Amino acid sequence: DTGVSQDPRHKITKRGQNVTFRCDPISEHNRLYWYRQTLGQGPEFLTYFQNEAQLEKSRLLSDRFSAERPKGSFSTLEIQRTEQGDSAMYLCASSFGAWTEAFFGQGTRLTVV
Amino acid sequence: ELKVEQNPLFLSMQEGKNYTIYCNYSTTSDRLYWYRQDPGKSLESLFVLLSNGAVKQEGRLMASLDTKARLSTLHITAAVHDLSATYFCADPNSNSGYALNFGKGTSLLVTP
Repeated sequence: DTGVSQDPRHKITKRGQNVTFRCDPISEHNRLYWYRQTLGQGPEFLTYFQNEAQLEKSRLLSDRFSAERPKGSFSTLEIQRTEQGDSAMYLCASSFGAWTEAFFGQGTRLTVV
Repeated sequence: ELKVEQNPLFLSMQEGKNYTIYCNYSTTSDRLYWYRQDPGKSLESLFVLLSNGAVKQEGRLMASLDTKARLSTLHITAAVHDLSATYFCADPNSNSGYALNFGKGTSLLVTP
């Protein structure tokens, strides 16, 4: 499978714990985006990378969130001290350049209890 | 504020009928994307509309773009049950690396 892959697919965590998600983009894609989607809503932009550089962060991305993309390959999204409001589907997408079609991974569904 | 508004948000239609979903957006973008999402699943790209007047068709779905009116439509012809899903339109936001700005989605249910 050469699509965008995310791991884990599901994560249940207790409030206050830290969680980390991984995204492996399509190999030749230099852009990687993270989105968050809550029930009944469209995905909301969180942050994006061009190669290894994180170029933009949404105001939705509080200080508890951090993302990395070492060497411009896979990316990780970490949430520290999780809160119930962090429960959502976290989607990763990749594209080759700014104007081309973005392909989405299957998402990681986070439930904070 | 960047807005993408879809209409309707919920749509129940009978098999064999036609219907159009509307997407209004607020940016001056000349491109627009349509995605499909099945329950609990990720987003599948349906159409990328690249310029004013663009029209694309795939099976029973046809999408069009009017950049002057900042309007895109997704037309469903002779609906079948397999089309039941949520459909999102999105336009790229130049202020965030052309990340997609999504509407709330149109939840479509096709009934016998």
